[in-house]
Amino acid sequence: DAGITQSPRHKVTETGTPVTLRCHQTENHRYMYWYRQDPGHGLRLIHYSYGVKDTDKGEVSDGYSVSRSKTEDFLLTLESATSSQTSVYFCAISEPTYSGNTIYFGEGSWLTVV
Amino acid sequence: AQSVTQLDSQVPVFEEAPVELRCNYSSSVSVYLFWYVQYPNQGLQLLLKYLSGSTLVESINGFEAEFNKSQTSFHLRKPSVHISDTAEYFCAVSVRDAAGNKLTFGGGTRVLVKP
Repeated sequence: DAGITQSPRHKVTETGTPVTLRCHQTENHRYMYWYRQDPGHGLRLIHYSYGVKDTDKGEVSDGYSVSRSKTEDFLLTLESATSSQTSVYFCAISEPTYSGNTIYFGEGSWLTVV
Repeated sequence: AQSVTQLDSQVPVFEEAPVELRCNYSSSVSVYLFWYVQYPNQGLQLLLKYLSGSTLVESINGFEAEFNKSQTSFHLRKPSVHISDTAEYFCAVSVRDAAGNKLTFGGGTRVLVKP
């Protein structure tokens, strides 16, 4: 196992409420990522972090924000959840010696917005 | 920008039969190529990757993939599948020499191995 813990693993929330997903790693990897998985789309990058307090947007960042105050924790926040954000969210980590390095994924957080 | 197309969304196959999963990519810059596997209710695991050198790469569990630069393809094959190969398979690329390794994924191919 890659030492990645996501919480919560399952959540049902109402439209318009804020939601925070947490990713915790024990590998001390510099890069952390949040992806969402939807049928037919594979995984799409939401945001990523390349160090404490250093973050950047991915291809589907609208409606999401992130924070990284410690190396081991990367938080994903849905400011005001919508039904289109119902998805499976995966955290991932990597040590970017070069861009061919393996990315390690967590086990996912299932989010349902009703 | 990069894009990845997996031509088959589902592939049913009988146990001990061969399987091929097709992957084509588009990129204006050089990329690294990956295949990831996802078993039910789990995260993704790296199956194999092409970085440089021999265009044929192999995994420890019998899968192989061949990089074809002229056809911009990275098809995955296994000569004889097992029930345990039932999973979803994702092809992905990352930009060579870029900071970090942000992956662009294809839509996935579900493999269902039948006895």
